[in-house]
Amino acid sequence: EAQLVESGGGLVQPGGSLRLSCAGSGFSLRNYNIHWIRQAPGKGLEWLSYIDRSGTVVYYSDSVQGRFTISRDNGEDSVYLRMIGLEVGDTAMYYCARELRQVPFDIWGQGTVVTVSS
Amino acid sequence: QAVLTQPASLSASPGTSVSLTCTLGGVDVATSKIYWYRQKAGSPPQYLLWYRSGSEKEKGSGVPSRFSGSKDASANAGILLISGLQSEDEADYYCLTWHVSAWVFGGGTKLTVL
Repeated sequence: EAQLVESGGGLVQPGGSLRLSCAGSGFSLRNYNIHWIRQAPGKGLEWLSYIDRSGTVVYYSDSVQGRFTISRDNGEDSVYLRMIGLEVGDTAMYYCARELRQVPFDIWGQGTVVTVSS
Repeated sequence: QAVLTQPASLSASPGTSVSLTCTLGGVDVATSKIYWYRQKAGSPPQYLLWYRSGSEKEKGSGVPSRFSGSKDASANAGILLISGLQSEDEADYYCLTWHVSAWVFGGGTKLTVL
């Protein structure tokens, strides 16, 4: 069964940084475009970023452009989200999701929690 | 920037049908592909289906035939129709579309099955 596994979340102070990782299980992540989406506590879903299979095409939402950087290492079969200048408003569950054919978020990981607090 | 507006909550009885709406602002629903996701409490979202027209639509693997998509052009809205409502359908439902280099989610509808 194809699954995604996120890691790297945790508690960080405002202004701090974190790097989230996304790994695949049951399939090779390197063959797919990948997205990051987040969900603040009790709130809705917010798309953050996209990276294509080769790592050459990336997109960001306006809310994280300039602070977050998506990347991938196909040798390690992983996708990353580097987050700097974290704000209290970045507190959320962060999900990675696979894109399959015409479906942008075909399968989702269980998420990793990021808490920004002093 | 596109805005997708969903009713915050909706309730219905088991066995009935319910229509969840997703009203588009700033983009024409006629040309848009609308995706629908379901999120049960404590779990990540799951893909349900996408709908553009009667001939352009697709359902996710394992999604029951009780779930279908449509549009209301007069309201500029996408619709998720759930028939034969079951208690397991109680969840948050999100619509999604692509607009100007960004994926945009609706705010979500909390569906309660009474």
